[in-house]
Amino acid sequence: GENVEQHPSTLSVQEGDSAVIKCTYSDSASNYFPWYKQELGKRPQLIIDIRSNVGEKKDQRIAVTLNKTAKHFSLHITETQPEDSAVYFCAASRNSGGSNYKLTFGKGTLLTVNP
Amino acid sequence: DAGVIQSPRHEVTEMGQEVTLRCKPISGHDYLFWYRQTMMRGLELLIYFNNNVPIDDSGMPEDRFSAKMPNASFSTLKIQPSEPRDSAVYFCASNLGRQANYGYTFGSGTRLTVV
Repeated sequence: GENVEQHPSTLSVQEGDSAVIKCTYSDSASNYFPWYKQELGKRPQLIIDIRSNVGEKKDQRIAVTLNKTAKHFSLHITETQPEDSAVYFCAASRNSGGSNYKLTFGKGTLLTVNP
Repeated sequence: DAGVIQSPRHEVTEMGQEVTLRCKPISGHDYLFWYRQTMMRGLELLIYFNNNVPIDDSGMPEDRFSAKMPNASFSTLKIQPSEPRDSAVYFCASNLGRQANYGYTFGSGTRLTVV
């Protein structure tokens, strides 16, 4: 089955700096890669996703890049703010023909943005 | 849309007791997933359903765990008998399979403590 590795497990940055979280996956057939943000005591919430036919996607201060050859993808947060502090999870799944397959999650990265 | 609704939010039970967790997916979603979250193991998929039919239960830890989806708007996860190592946050999530490659919507979770 799919295996998703996520690094680093913790990341501390100063407000205004950039943060980068990296994930690798094992199943070359995986084609969908979402990122979730989970604040303390809350549910995971989708913040951005990318499909395997796209190399990069941006949404305001957040961007995700995908390298299919190397089987890794990354989350980039620019101009970090204290409210970005949370646990971030990457995930991967193999969707085809309209069938929805299970998401396999990384272990998460605790991001702390210091004011 | 009320989102994915889980109950109870918190459950404290004694070892050996039966525990039932409940989930109402978003109306119209045809996939339902049960995940367990712990510090050590992160987010683990326990089981998922498509159109009320269990598709993959390979993540169910042992026979003490069972899940049902009697109709499109309700699912249960039962643990009998419960053990302290079952203590975790259990999340239910749903997805519309026709929109493959869209991320899940998670419920608020049930925090289970077995003493």
